[in-house]
Amino acid sequence: GQNIDQPTEMTATEGAIVQINCTYQTSGFNGLFWYQQHAGEAPTFLSYNVLDGLEEKGRFSSFLSRSKGYSYLLLKELQMKDSASYLCAVRDEGGYQKVTFGTGTKLQVIP
Amino acid sequence: KAGVTQTPRYLIKTRGQQVTLSCSPISGHRSVSWYQQTPGQGLQFLFEYFSETQRNKGNFPGRFSGRQFSNSRSEMNVSTLELGDSALYLCASSLTPPSGGSTDTQYFGPGTRLTVL
Repeated sequence: GQNIDQPTEMTATEGAIVQINCTYQTSGFNGLFWYQQHAGEAPTFLSYNVLDGLEEKGRFSSFLSRSKGYSYLLLKELQMKDSASYLCAVRDEGGYQKVTFGTGTKLQVIP
Repeated sequence: KAGVTQTPRYLIKTRGQQVTLSCSPISGHRSVSWYQQTPGQGLQFLFEYFSETQRNKGNFPGRFSGRQFSNSRSEMNVSTLELGDSALYLCASSLTPPSGGSTDTQYFGPGTRLTVL
């Protein structure tokens, strides 16, 4: 099975950088996803990591360390519209690979 | 291209009733996954369908069931509703199934908000 931990809430200032951590303990691993979900809306895909290292996409970057069971999402130059929940999800391995979501980190960006 | 659509968007039922929710994936997508989202538990995986076959199932009781049609549209059914079934039910579609190791992006629908009284 999978156990995924993320902080419940974070607050950061507009223009700043914030790092949202995700740790996981899994029976197998075949990739980690990050999603953004604004209140009352559906989750939208941000990034996917399967190999160790940093993936950069504009203001958002995602890092993975498989040996440590650890990932983070880095948001730079924060904007008010970045206030949302950020969901970490892990896919296990095997015949049929389930995707398990963490409970999400609610980020509030303040002026 | 139209996104994932779910109907109805809101539903109010009473305990003991049953409910059917519908999901139409993005045109061309053959994989549909269903999730339950509650404030305390986050997104919990329900089922995954591909080409009318259930490939994966989460840890939910047998009251939760689903199916997929030949046009890739999917339905999920919950029988004998309980208060704890109140949640946002999300469906996500992708070209190929996540369970096959696919890196295809899953696109989520707006969800159906179910309230059980």
